[in-house]
Amino acid sequence: QVQLVESGGGVVQPGRSLRLSCVGSGFSFSNYGMHWVRQAPGKGLEWVAMIWSDGSNKYYADSVRGRFTISRDNSKNTLYLQMNSLRDEDTAIYYCAKGTYFFDYCGQGTLVTVSS
Amino acid sequence: EAVMTQSPAILSVSPGERATLSCRASQSVSSNLAWYQQKPGQAPRLLIYAASTRAAGIPARFSASGSGTEFTLTVSSLQSEDFAVYYCHQYNSWPRTFGQGTKVEIK
Repeated sequence: QVQLVESGGGVVQPGRSLRLSCVGSGFSFSNYGMHWVRQAPGKGLEWVAMIWSDGSNKYYADSVRGRFTISRDNSKNTLYLQMNSLRDEDTAIYYCAKGTYFFDYCGQGTLVTVSS
Repeated sequence: EAVMTQSPAILSVSPGERATLSCRASQSVSSNLAWYQQKPGQAPRLLIYAASTRAAGIPARFSASGSGTEFTLTVSSLQSEDFAVYYCHQYNSWPRTFGQGTKVEIK
């Protein structure tokens, strides 16, 4: 069955960096686009970024463009999110999600807390 | 950016009753609209894609319709496991956007 397992979350000070990872299994990882979606505490879902199956195209929400970078290593079935210049408002659960257009499966998420 | 607006914010329904949720887009998203269900402490689960197609394993009591800017999700007879927050999501244009969610609670 499809599994997506995120890691790399934690507590980080404002202005610092963090890299999230997501390992996929149970499907042909290299054939699918992948997304990051986040959810601030008690808030709704916010789409963050998307990368095509071959990594050739990437898209970002305005709120993270220029600070976050999505990437992937298909040889390791792994999706990444490099987060730089973190802000308080980046505090959220970050989910990786499988799908080229809509996403049909999410991992359980990893919590990122930006706090001094 | 396509702004998605859901109504109502909270819907109080008795078990066994019908629930109707609405989602409006600020610009046409064609039929590129999905619905997700989220329960507390869980990841979102895909219910509907292409505006009206049920995802694998989703019960027939969930149905959806619409195109362009107006969409509806209907749960024909609410079961205890259906009380949750529901989000619409457009994948027609960048950036992808979600509605703010409708919480379906027990009346």
